Amino acid sequence: GESVGLHLPTLSVQEGDNSIINCAYSNSASDYFIWYKQESGKGPQFIIDIRSNMDKRQGQRVTVLLNKTVKHLSLQIAATQPGDSAVYFCAENSLGGGTSYGKLTFGQGTILTVHP
Amino acid sequence: EPEVTQTPSHQVTQMGQEVILRCVPISNHLYFYWYRQILGQKVEFLVSFYNNEISEKSEIFDDQFSVERPDGSNFTLKIRSTKLEDSAMYFCASSVRGMVQYFGAGTRLSVL
Repeated sequence: GESVGLHLPTLSVQEGDNSIINCAYSNSASDYFIWYKQESGKGPQFIIDIRSNMDKRQGQRVTVLLNKTVKHLSLQIAATQPGDSAVYFCAENSLGGGTSYGKLTFGQGTILTVHP
Repeated sequence: EPEVTQTPSHQVTQMGQEVILRCVPISNHLYFYWYRQILGQKVEFLVSFYNNEISEKSEIFDDQFSVERPDGSNFTLKIRSTKLEDSAMYFCASSVRGMVQYFGAGTRLSVL
């Protein structure tokens, strides 16, 4: 069935390092992807999104890469800071021909720990 | 910055009781959603709501669940007869065009 999953459940990095969080998806119809950050006791917080007609998108300190050939998504965080410590989820949607109303399918999440 | 607000932050109820979880979406958003997250698991889609009707729902969203937008600002999730397995964090989200969804802080539902 459809699923979005993560390769690494935990990632520990030193402050200032770059972090890479990976995500695999299985639904070939997926055409829209989002990364969320979830801190303890809070709801998912939008980080960055990408549509399937792109393979890279950059934000502030974050970059999302999309490889549709192998159905793989990654989030790169530059100069990781202790405040980046959180659980990171990828999520996908199939916008298709405009008939989707935004149902997101989430991955399991990766715990990022940044050590000072 | 506009945000989605949810109340209460924590709801404790007895099995079989009805609960209503409340959400105030971001004011200019048109699409509304409920998700849940069982402790330690991934976020799961429950239902989407657009143009005053349910547009999509998951298998989890059975006859015990209902949603309503009683006025121009609130969006509610009702569980008619709660079960132990309904214990989870429930997140409300809203979106302008059905793409980026902004989530509230969630309501922790504990069914005893």
